[in-house]
Amino acid sequence: DAGVIQSPRHEVTEMGQEVTLRCKPISGHNSLFWYRQTMMRGLELLIYFNNNVPIDDSGMPEDRFSAKMPNASFSTLKIQPSEPRDSAVYFCASSLGFGGVGEKLFFGSGTQLSVL
Amino acid sequence: KQEVTQIPAALSVPEGENLVLNCSFTDSAIYNLQWFRQDPGKGLTSLLLIQSSQREQTSGRLNASLDKSSGRSTLYIAASQPGDSATYLCAVRPHGSSNTGKLIFGQGTTLQVKP
Repeated sequence: DAGVIQSPRHEVTEMGQEVTLRCKPISGHNSLFWYRQTMMRGLELLIYFNNNVPIDDSGMPEDRFSAKMPNASFSTLKIQPSEPRDSAVYFCASSLGFGGVGEKLFFGSGTQLSVL
Repeated sequence: KQEVTQIPAALSVPEGENLVLNCSFTDSAIYNLQWFRQDPGKGLTSLLLIQSSQREQTSGRLNASLDKSSGRSTLYIAASQPGDSATYLCAVRPHGSSNTGKLIFGQGTTLQVKP
């Protein structure tokens, strides 16, 4: 398996523009997570899906952020409008699900977002 | 509120040395604890996962221990190599995170192993 695949790897945009980040989880994994990493705040969970259903979106900063998982093999994280403070590395991760080693988390390589 | 702390923030050792990385958490009510490795510009790689009922897990030169009652975990790296240079993060899944899968991460320890 190719692992968790994220695109793009880098995104540079101007304030106010819409940004869409994409993720393909590992085939067969039932849980998908979006994390954000900054120097100041470390790793923060934004939203978590289980079987394509959003379970916990309490980490989504505000209404400018939205995430979807239309099927088991694809998820998007959208920021509209983007702001400079959104600049960070955004990671997607997946796991088999709950219980035992199934909770081992597999991360993608991340999207480095810079909002100018 | 669960908080995870890793000390030191950075560590530099000569090649071949055995070393211990520390992780502490404020609430002992956890489902599990994971240790991750992060290389610069890359995502995280899960190294070891310890269930709350377990005391330790081993993989190759790595050994992770868990003392839930004291809120501590250690990652032991034997015979360190330059290729071990990376940032190591620990994360706990706290009780109350049922059906959310939420992990609380520490800030990490950046390890440099000098040849």
